[in-house]
Amino acid sequence: GEDVEQSLFLSVREGDSSVINCTYTDSSSTYLYWYKQEPGAGLQLLTYIFSNMDMKQDQRLTVLLNKKDKHLSLRIADTQTGDSAIYFCAENSSYKLIFGSGTRLLVRP
Amino acid sequence: DAGVIQSPRHEVTEMGQEVTLRCKPISGHNSLFWYRQTMMRGLELLIYFNNNVPIDDSGMPEDRFSAKMPNASFSTLKIQPSEPRDSAVYFCASSSQLLQGTGELFFGEGSRLTVL
Repeated sequence: GEDVEQSLFLSVREGDSSVINCTYTDSSSTYLYWYKQEPGAGLQLLTYIFSNMDMKQDQRLTVLLNKKDKHLSLRIADTQTGDSAIYFCAENSSYKLIFGSGTRLLVRP
Repeated sequence: DAGVIQSPRHEVTEMGQEVTLRCKPISGHNSLFWYRQTMMRGLELLIYFNNNVPIDDSGMPEDRFSAKMPNASFSTLKIQPSEPRDSAVYFCASSSQLLQGTGELFFGEGSRLTVL
């Protein structure tokens, strides 16, 4: 069945790069997504990548997709304290989004 | 534009009581999703509707849970009777593109349910 897995926690120092990793199972996913959840709020789309792409860059964000290994990563350059949040990876499977458990990013000053 | 609106934001109830959570999707969106978030299980999809019709309810935990979408601008998730293990944050999300495009989901702020 569908499954998306992520590590639960990441701590980085302000100004460093953060890399959040994800593995998924549905090879037919057309798009893969990164969502961000701030405390007390719902999830918001951060970025997405089409499945025939290897990389997508959007300002401080870089998404890498390894379709062979079903591995997705999100790199945040120059991480700021405002980036502290939970980051969810998601795959589009059978017209619904399946989310990972989320990676809690803590940015230390 | 108003986003997805959920009510109540917080609900505290006693075991055995009926709970009704409400959602108003973004106008024009034709897909609506109910998710549940807990520390133990993360974000689980409970049910989703397309054009007001339930498409997949395989994530609904048991018969105590039911969801309806009587029209394009309103949906409810009902738990009867509620149990302490139902305590979670329940999110409603809507989308206009899931079947065709990038499939961005717009989430409400969630309803935090505590069952004592």
